[in-house]
Amino acid sequence: SQKIEQNSEALNIQEGKTATLTCNYTNYSPAYLQWYRQDPGRGPVFLLLIRENEKEKRKERLKVTFDTTLKQSLFHITASQPADSATYLCALDITLRLSFGAGTTVTVRA
Amino acid sequence: ETGVTQSPTHLIKTRGQQVTLRCSSQSGHNTVSWYQQALGQGPQFIFQYYREEENGRGNFPPRFSGLQFPNYSSELNVNALELDDSALYLCASSLGGQGTDTQYFGPGTRLTVL
Repeated sequence: SQKIEQNSEALNIQEGKTATLTCNYTNYSPAYLQWYRQDPGRGPVFLLLIRENEKEKRKERLKVTFDTTLKQSLFHITASQPADSATYLCALDITLRLSFGAGTTVTVRA
Repeated sequence: ETGVTQSPTHLIKTRGQQVTLRCSSQSGHNTVSWYQQALGQGPQFIFQYYREEENGRGNFPPRFSGLQFPNYSSELNVNALELDDSALYLCASSLGGQGTDTQYFGPGTRLTVL
């Protein structure tokens, strides 16, 4: 069966540093992968989509890579700020539906 | 804000009862998907409605049912509530009828089953 794994541990980093989150998947070859941000008690908010033929995508301080050979996506938050503290979810298209990982919680210390 | 609204915000029910959750999609979107999110987990796909027809269903029993109305708003109904149904229920709208389109989520309804 398909499996999506994100960093199992929460990430605590100092303001200004880069946070790197991983999303690994097995037994599937998605056409694309999406990243969402979720704040406590709120619905997820779409951040970025990367397609299988794209190696890297950027949006402001966010960067996503997609390695279909390793079956892995990396999500980077550069020059992190306390306002970046949230849970970040990756989502893959599996059998024509979005399947989400459990998320990684990031806390940025001032 | 995405423009997707959900009601109610919170709900407490007892086991065996029935519940109806409501969702208004973002203007211009014709597709609504419902997800269940347990604490510490990612959203799990329940089903999707596209132009008032069910357009796919996840691994949820038939006591989870839904409707989409001509204005593309939607309802999620859950019968015979169980303790494990306690979760955040998220509605997401999108345009295009594809399950893998970018999802615009509402704030969710927190359901507690006692």
